[in-house]
Amino acid sequence: GEDVEQSLFLSVREGDSSVINCTYTDSSSTYLYWYKQEPGAGLQLLTYIFSNMDMKQDQRLTVLLNKKDKHLSLRIADTQTGDSAIYFCAEKGDSGAGSYQLTFGKGTKLSVIP
Amino acid sequence: SAVISQKPSRDICQRGTSLTIQCQVDSQVTMMFWYRQQPGQSLTLIATANQGSEATYESGFVIDKFPISRPNLTFSTLTVSNMSPEDSSIYLCSVQGSGTEAFFGQGTRLTVV
Repeated sequence: GEDVEQSLFLSVREGDSSVINCTYTDSSSTYLYWYKQEPGAGLQLLTYIFSNMDMKQDQRLTVLLNKKDKHLSLRIADTQTGDSAIYFCAEKGDSGAGSYQLTFGKGTKLSVIP
Repeated sequence: SAVISQKPSRDICQRGTSLTIQCQVDSQVTMMFWYRQQPGQSLTLIATANQGSEATYESGFVIDKFPISRPNLTFSTLTVSNMSPEDSSIYLCSVQGSGTEAFFGQGTRLTVV
């Protein structure tokens, strides 16, 4: 089956930039997503990118996509303590009409040091 | 965006019992999805629930263990039946937005003792 890989942990100092990386295997991926999960909470959709784009910026968040290498990254500028959470990368393949299944990575736990 | 409410938010249950989790969406959606997130793991899709038809289960999940109801376009339930400690997980309801976004409820944290 398709696979999504992420590093499990990342630690950064407050004010620095965080870069969370993700690789995936599905060459037919149409959309790639980043979700944030705070302790005890559900998943919050942060941003997503269409597979024919290579960059998307939304305030402090920058998503970079290298489709050739199947590599996705999420950069958080000026990281704050409130950004401490688990970040999930997910991809949606192109398996035909009505296919909405997302494949998730295991999540990267971001710890922000004050 | 869709607003999704799940109940209960958490529960501690005895093994052998069943728990029904409710998912309410603030708008009509065609498809609703149920995911499981085991401790320290990623999300795994349990089943897709369409209104008016039987749910479609992923490999490793069966209707007898995880019966799903979808009585209308804004509501679904997932039951975890005959629970064992291995069923301790977070269960999440998800819907597809009008575009390409997928939204999630806050999850139900289940502990089976």
